[in-house]
Amino acid sequence: AQSVTQPDIHITVSEGASLELRCNYSYGATPYLFWYVQSPGQGLQLLLKYFSGDTLVQGIKGFEAEFKRSQSSFNLRKPSVHWSDAAEYFCAVGARGSSASKIIFGSGTRLSIRP
Amino acid sequence: EPEVTQTPSHQVTQMGQEVILRCVPISNHLYFYWYRQILGQKVEFLVSFYNNEISEKSEIFDDQFSVERPDGSNFTLKIRSTKLEDSAMYFCASSQTGGTGTGELFFGEGSRLTVL
Repeated sequence: AQSVTQPDIHITVSEGASLELRCNYSYGATPYLFWYVQSPGQGLQLLLKYFSGDTLVQGIKGFEAEFKRSQSSFNLRKPSVHWSDAAEYFCAVGARGSSASKIIFGSGTRLSIRP
Repeated sequence: EPEVTQTPSHQVTQMGQEVILRCVPISNHLYFYWYRQILGQKVEFLVSFYNNEISEKSEIFDDQFSVERPDGSNFTLKIRSTKLEDSAMYFCASSQTGGTGTGELFFGEGSRLTVL
């Protein structure tokens, strides 16, 4: 079964600084990988996804993530964060070839922005 | 842009009462899901549904829970006798494909359930 680990519970960065949120997954084959963002009291918005091909994927709001098979990682990056990026970020993994496309979420990383 | 809609946005109920949470998935989607998020915790998979039957369910999805697609547009989650620990945000999701497809899930805004 697939699983996801987000080792950082809470990260604080200064506005304008770069950001990297870590995600490690466990799955026997190449998985589908996702990053979702959740603002307080809101639903889940898809930032980006990896299915195949180029291992560096671009998403919305200036985010990108890189799939590294050798490290079983899919870290999320942004070169310069904005105060509006403060939110909870969830990495998720989906299984290929399963009967339905359920995805499994990590425990999330809360991002705070220092003015 | 098509979206998944959920009602109610917030429901408060007494322990032991039945609750039905409703979802309208994106119209051409075939796979439907319920997830829940207890306050401050991660989003957990409850159940997936395809072709009018449950495809997969988690350990959380016990006999107190049921899902239904009563009319071809709505997708409901029923909790028969709510417990305090059922208090959570419940997310509905849908996807156009499943299995070997790309399987991107589109989530609703969630229904917050508070059990007193």
